[in-house]
Amino acid sequence: RKEVEQDPGPFNVPEGATVAFNCTYSNSASQSFFWYRQDCRKEPKLLMSVYSSGNEDGRFTAQLNRASQYISLLIRDSKLSDSATYLCVVNTSNQGGKLIFGQGTELSVKP
Amino acid sequence: DAGVIQSPRHEVTEMGQEVTLRCKPISGHDYLFWYRQTMMRGLELLIYFNNNVPIDDSGMPEDRFSAKMPNASFSTLKIQPSEPRDSAVYFCASSSPLGTSGGAVWNEQFFGPGTRLTVL
Repeated sequence: RKEVEQDPGPFNVPEGATVAFNCTYSNSASQSFFWYRQDCRKEPKLLMSVYSSGNEDGRFTAQLNRASQYISLLIRDSKLSDSATYLCVVNTSNQGGKLIFGQGTELSVKP
Repeated sequence: DAGVIQSPRHEVTEMGQEVTLRCKPISGHDYLFWYRQTMMRGLELLIYFNNNVPIDDSGMPEDRFSAKMPNASFSTLKIQPSEPRDSAVYFCASSSPLGTSGGAVWNEQFFGPGTRLTVL
């Protein structure tokens, strides 16, 4: 079983749609959680951290459920520029700075 | 700051040749990571350093791969001899010391643009 699992997609949605990505992680000792975004043929970049209480950044909302070891990302009013691959990422505190990346979920927003 | 710098951006070589990838982390960052990304396996951590010391190299595929960090501003990943299955995009990333923000432990990693390696 992979340490971090995501639905690879692709998710094809029209502009303005709301789309949700899910992610599960296997290590219950995981301490930090993130969503990274990767554009085609580019490097991954941090989109947002995921806090225990859930957090929002504009059109993006991240949720964490430690009991179920589940992380989600909700994108509201999707834009063409949101088209990218979204990577679910976890860190286990006893692994120093090491991050474990999921395979990524591809999103394509169409006009 | 210029961000993480990697060179070369593209490398095409023949099987059996030695390949050296280079990375300059962001100044002040004391963690450095080497990743490999392929369609089949996604983004895999190969090795990471803290204060120039290798901490975890469990992701290095085999003895053909080696990495060094002679100082805080430079690291290399070497493949000798290279094989076609090594074809991938190799990313270097760096991060600052672990800290806390809003109650969560954070350690954002900043990635370089990657080196696209093709071994024929």
